[in-house]
Amino acid sequence: GQNIDQPTEMTATEGAIVQINCTYQTSGFNGLFWYQQHAGEAPTFLSYNVLDGLEEKGRFSSFLSRSKGYSYLLLKELQMKDSASYLCAVKGQAGTALIFGKGTTLSVSS
Amino acid sequence: GAVVSQHPSRVICKSGTSVKIECRSLDFQATTMFWYRQFPKKSLMLMATSNEGSKATYEQGVEKDKFLINHASLTLSTLTVTSAHPEDSSFYICSALREYEQYFGPGTRLTVT
Repeated sequence: GQNIDQPTEMTATEGAIVQINCTYQTSGFNGLFWYQQHAGEAPTFLSYNVLDGLEEKGRFSSFLSRSKGYSYLLLKELQMKDSASYLCAVKGQAGTALIFGKGTTLSVSS
Repeated sequence: GAVVSQHPSRVICKSGTSVKIECRSLDFQATTMFWYRQFPKKSLMLMATSNEGSKATYEQGVEKDKFLINHASLTLSTLTVTSAHPEDSSFYICSALREYEQYFGPGTRLTVT
């Protein structure tokens, strides 16, 4: 079967750093994606990892360990606008659809 | 970048009627498109994979006779919710595959009264 786990909710304050973890068990692996989704809107692409290691993209970084079935999204210098749901998604077999975790709702307070 | 559109963005329909949602890839051709459904505060659940020129592949538990999918061209897939019921009210999001990446449409909010 396929399973993707991430925490349901997280809270943080402006300017802080937050790490959102994701563990996965899937049949096949062709990459792990992180998306941001604001309420009532479609998800927007944040990052993609297919090899082990850290990918940095401005305030956002994503890490992958394929042997551990583990990834995290690191958000630095948090801003209020970062309050959103963060979705971890895995592509199993090539050409198949992304399978999404349940999402982590991040609330950033001042 | 790749752009995917959906129409309509919001629709309200009465129980028992059918509603069609269109998904278009505007600046690229997509042999494969995906349809997801998202209930409030829940994640995206894959409903079906739409392949141009062939029948869609439905996920377990999704009724193919209720959710009709047509992928008649390389830039258009449609999802028709037939005989809609209030429990079909949801956010429907399509996604088009280009190389290794999926590009998402803006979503369609369906409310069945």
